[in-house]
Amino acid sequence: GAVVSQHPSWVICKSGTSVKIECRSLDFQATTMFWYRQFPKQSLMLMATSNEGSKATYEQGVEKDKFLINHASLTLSTLTVTSAHPEDSSFYICSVPGRANYGYTFGSGTRLTVV
Amino acid sequence: DQQVKQNSPSLSVQEGRISILNCDYTNSMFDYFLWYKKYPAEGPTFLISISSIKDKNEDGRFTVFLNKSAKHLSLHIVPSQPGDSAVYFCAAKNQGGKLIFGQGTELSVKP
Repeated sequence: GAVVSQHPSWVICKSGTSVKIECRSLDFQATTMFWYRQFPKQSLMLMATSNEGSKATYEQGVEKDKFLINHASLTLSTLTVTSAHPEDSSFYICSVPGRANYGYTFGSGTRLTVV
Repeated sequence: DQQVKQNSPSLSVQEGRISILNCDYTNSMFDYFLWYKKYPAEGPTFLISISSIKDKNEDGRFTVFLNKSAKHLSLHIVPSQPGDSAVYFCAAKNQGGKLIFGQGTELSVKP
């Protein structure tokens, strides 16, 4: 599968500020990347599909104006949590489909804490 | 609507014995099923997968079985080792390429 780098691994921010999370595919040109969120002791929930050169597609119930996704190149997708609130505190993970159609590789995740 | 379900939140197994993790799904259009292993504050690590046209796939100590008629898959780990202790997620890939995850099962392998 692909090699995926995600940064930062953790971030603490104040309510009302914005936080940007980067996901890089280091050895694979990814036209598509996926963003997930995991609350403690829960499943990984798909938030959105990041599409290179076009708009992201969001899952039902995910606010596109709050979670801004930019996929400007074949190796980089960013997720920006805008005007963060404590309820946005979660573990955010990106995923890159690999060369085989089932070899999805995940980043190491970002722990966001909003205080 | 939980399309992928792992009904056992936890499982405890003795070292050397078999661990069996179960997963049920509702959507017959899923074309691949995957198992991931996850530690806290880390991303999931791919373990093994199976195509919907197969009923078994084996890789070392890990075997995945798929029963399409029952919409059920299971992951067998044998022999279980303490290093296998982690949360295991099953995931199903839909035709749009998205992975849908179950809730996870926390496996504890005791020495």
